[in-house]
Amino acid sequence: ELKVEQNPLFLSMQEGKNYTIYCNYSTTSDRLYWYRQDPGKSLESLFVLLSNGAVKQEGRLMASLDTKARLSTLHITAAVHDLSATYFCAVDFGNEKLTFGTGTRLTIIP
Amino acid sequence: DTAVSQTPKYLVTQMGNDKSIKCEQNLGHDTMYWYKQDSKKFLKIMFSYNNKELIINETVPNRFSPKSPDKAHLNLHINSLELGDSAVYFCASSQDLRGAFYNEQFFGPGTRLTVL
Repeated sequence: ELKVEQNPLFLSMQEGKNYTIYCNYSTTSDRLYWYRQDPGKSLESLFVLLSNGAVKQEGRLMASLDTKARLSTLHITAAVHDLSATYFCAVDFGNEKLTFGTGTRLTIIP
Repeated sequence: DTAVSQTPKYLVTQMGNDKSIKCEQNLGHDTMYWYKQDSKKFLKIMFSYNNKELIINETVPNRFSPKSPDKAHLNLHINSLELGDSAVYFCASSQDLRGAFYNEQFFGPGTRLTVL
């Protein structure tokens, strides 16, 4: 079965701290996407990772892909309030669709 | 300039009614999708179309019928609405799924459907 698991599902973190969201998937893929969703809003594309060892950074967010471990991480550095959102990873297993993870609801508290 | 647009944004209706949601993209993409997001935020694909051809029909009840009049439009018609159909429905688009190396999808704003 093609599965994508994220953890944690919920994350409350203090401003200024660092943390990592994990995305594990069940079978071979070298194409993975990260999206952000604000409450009541649409999904916004954050990162596209297309090879083993790919690393992308935007502001306080950095995403990486390890295709051998079937793992992607989204690292948050020195969190600020406006990073509060739900983050999804999505994997292309080559079956003409994306399989989304369960999402990680991130809340940054002062 | 809105890349992927949906109408309506909100839809409140009674059980048993029939309703439609419209989607349009101006990105020049060949592939369009419908997703359902439930109350737990879980996102599940329902349909995809590539240049007006149905590619994916993900075991969705027959009450749901997508229609793609051209590659820039993908509409969703729902017959005999049920309580369990209440959700947020997202339209998305991407480059030609069968020709592109990657499948970055761009999402519309969503339609929140409430069935009473």
